[in-house]
Amino acid sequence: GDSVTQMEGPVTLSEEAFLTINCTYTATGYPSLFWYVQYPGEGLQLLLKATKADDKGSNKGFEATYRKETTSFHLEKGSVQVSDSAVYFCALSNAGGTSYGKLTFGQGTILTVHP
Amino acid sequence: EAGVTQFPSHSVIEKGQTVTLRCDPISGHDNLYWYRRVMGKEIKFLLHFVKESKQDESGMPNNRFLAERTGGTYSTLKVQPAELEDSGVYFCASSQTKGQGPRYFGPGTRLTVL
Repeated sequence: GDSVTQMEGPVTLSEEAFLTINCTYTATGYPSLFWYVQYPGEGLQLLLKATKADDKGSNKGFEATYRKETTSFHLEKGSVQVSDSAVYFCALSNAGGTSYGKLTFGQGTILTVHP
Repeated sequence: EAGVTQFPSHSVIEKGQTVTLRCDPISGHDNLYWYRRVMGKEIKFLLHFVKESKQDESGMPNNRFLAERTGGTYSTLKVQPAELEDSGVYFCASSQTKGQGPRYFGPGTRLTVL
């Protein structure tokens, strides 16, 4: 079945450092790929998404490119802030375009950014 | 606009008891999803409502779980009888159209079965 593997956390960075959180997936067909973020005390919220190969999703300075050849969707940010401290989840949907509701998630990566 | 809300935030029950979780989606969102995360595992899909109809319930673990969405507004998820392995965090999410997928999740209900 479908699966998503994220890099183990926690990740601890200093403010303004470069961030990469690796995500690879296994799926049949052509899934859509997502990154969700969960800030302390809140629910998950969609950060960015990409629906086909070579698409780049971006939001709030974060980017991820859908790489079909390496089955990856790594999350990057050039300069992190303390406010980026959160748990980041990579996910895919392989519902064939009828519904993106059934997501397969990775385990989540805790990011802590120090001033 | 109010976000997705869930009640209660925490629930501690004995094995064999019944618990009902509630989710209020964002107003006007026809699509409502339930997910859960058991200890040490990934967040897993449970089911998807479109209005009051179950679009996909392939993730429901067994018949001890019953989800309803009468009137197409809020939803309840009942676990009866609860077992130890049901402990975890239950998330609800909603979206306006199926194509969007779940954009916002609620903060979750942490269920502990003793």
